[in-house]
Amino acid sequence: AAGVIQSPRHLIKEKRETATLKCYPIPRHDTVYWYQQGPGQDPQFLISFYEKMQSDKGSIPDRFSAQQFSDYHSELNMSSLELGDSALYFCASSLGLWGTDTQYFGPGTRLTVL
Amino acid sequence: SQQGEEDPQALSIQEGENATMNCSYKTSINNLQWYRQNSGRGLVHLILIRSNEREKHSGRLRVTLDTSKKSSSLLITASRAADTASYFCASLRQGAQKLVFGQGTRLTINP
Repeated sequence: AAGVIQSPRHLIKEKRETATLKCYPIPRHDTVYWYQQGPGQDPQFLISFYEKMQSDKGSIPDRFSAQQFSDYHSELNMSSLELGDSALYFCASSLGLWGTDTQYFGPGTRLTVL
Repeated sequence: SQQGEEDPQALSIQEGENATMNCSYKTSINNLQWYRQNSGRGLVHLILIRSNEREKHSGRLRVTLDTSKKSSSLLITASRAADTASYFCASLRQGAQKLVFGQGTRLTINP
C-alpha cells in the first residue's frame, strides 16, 4: 500500500539559511499534518491542512510557514534557521477533517542546522 | 510533553515475556492511537481505540482504554527481539485535529 512520502530524507543547513520540506500524502487523503520531534523528545504538532486550508495550528514558529497544494501535497518552509530547529520533521495524512481516523506518518526528514 | 504521560519511561524484559506500557492524558478524547518508532526512524501506526471502546486487539497487541481514569495501556504478548523500539501513545482531543503524544516508553527485548 502507498505510504506518506517525504523529501528530502536528510537535510543539512547553516544557521540563517532556509529549508523547504515536502510531503506527499497517501492517495485520496485530504488532510496533512506536520510534527516536529527534537532529540529524545515526543513529536509536537506544528500545523495541519484540510482541503488546502489551514485547519489547526500548534507551536509553529513565525519563521515557519506551510501550505497544501491542489494535488494535496504540502510543503513546510523554514526560514532564518536556528540550531534549535535541528529535529526530525514528520508529515502525516488522514482522510477527513476531524482526524478521527488513523494518522499515517511518513518516514520523516532529518534536519540538521550547523 | 503537552498532555500525555507514559510509564515506564524504559522497560527491559526477556524475549517471550509480556510487556505492558501505560499512558495517561488530560482532556476528553475522540480516540487514542499507539505508535512504534525504531531509533530515529518513522512512526509506525499500531492501533487506534475510540473513546467508546474499552479494549482492542491486533495480533499480539492488546490495548485498553479507561476514559474515567483518562488512561490507556498497551500490552505486547510473547515479546520478540524485533519488538525493541520506542512506543508512543497519542491522543486526539474532541474537536481537535492534532495528536498529542506521550513521552514514550523505550522497550528493550533481550534475546
